[in-house]
Amino acid sequence: DTEVTQTPKHLVMGMTNKKSLKCEQHMGHRAMYWYKQKAKKPPELMFVYSYEKLSINESVPSRFSPECPNSSLLNLHLHALQPEDSALYLCASSQAENQPQHFGDGTRLSIL
Amino acid sequence: QKEVEQNSGPLSVPEGAIASLNCTYSDRGSQSFFWYRQYSGKSPELIMSIYSNGDKEDGRFTAQLNKASQYVSLLIRDSQPSDSATYLCAVNDNAGNMLTFGGGTRLMVKP
Repeated sequence: DTEVTQTPKHLVMGMTNKKSLKCEQHMGHRAMYWYKQKAKKPPELMFVYSYEKLSINESVPSRFSPECPNSSLLNLHLHALQPEDSALYLCASSQAENQPQHFGDGTRLSIL
Repeated sequence: QKEVEQNSGPLSVPEGAIASLNCTYSDRGSQSFFWYRQYSGKSPELIMSIYSNGDKEDGRFTAQLNKASQYVSLLIRDSQPSDSATYLCAVNDNAGNMLTFGGGTRLMVKP
């Protein structure tokens, strides 16, 4: 079990659907991250939030929209995704941006 | 472009042996270095962090950092079949706000 909780664990959606991935941590960490991981590849950074402000957006398509409602929560809103967006989506948090990151269990997303 | 390189493996070692995993990085200004273990179908798990040159030991794991050679390694002593996983090297950039992962080395420990 990890201290970063992600829901749902699995998600299957059509290309026209809108869904959201959720991430929660109660470790008092001030930096939170979204990564995308394809099979047999390393995680790829998508977004970084530091003190609830978006500090990095790695040129991610606008069909992915992050949101940080408070210091414990991070959402990733999905709309009009493509089949190639099927992947494991990982949330991570750290005390600060240069500190070790701790990952949640991930959401396995499949786009039909 | 900042790069982190690892041999993809698989690295196969017998049970009880020492497994040696290596990683090189291109950004000379990098300050923070991490090793993650990832079992198939699971998320990465932090096992070691190292920030200064030299060795850092934690149980059966030893991380080694040489900033002059831009090289970081992980030694696993008394390897167990449960250590079989992909090991990811990760490096923070100079600003400290972006973690770049290597491609990972798959380790197989045979009983």
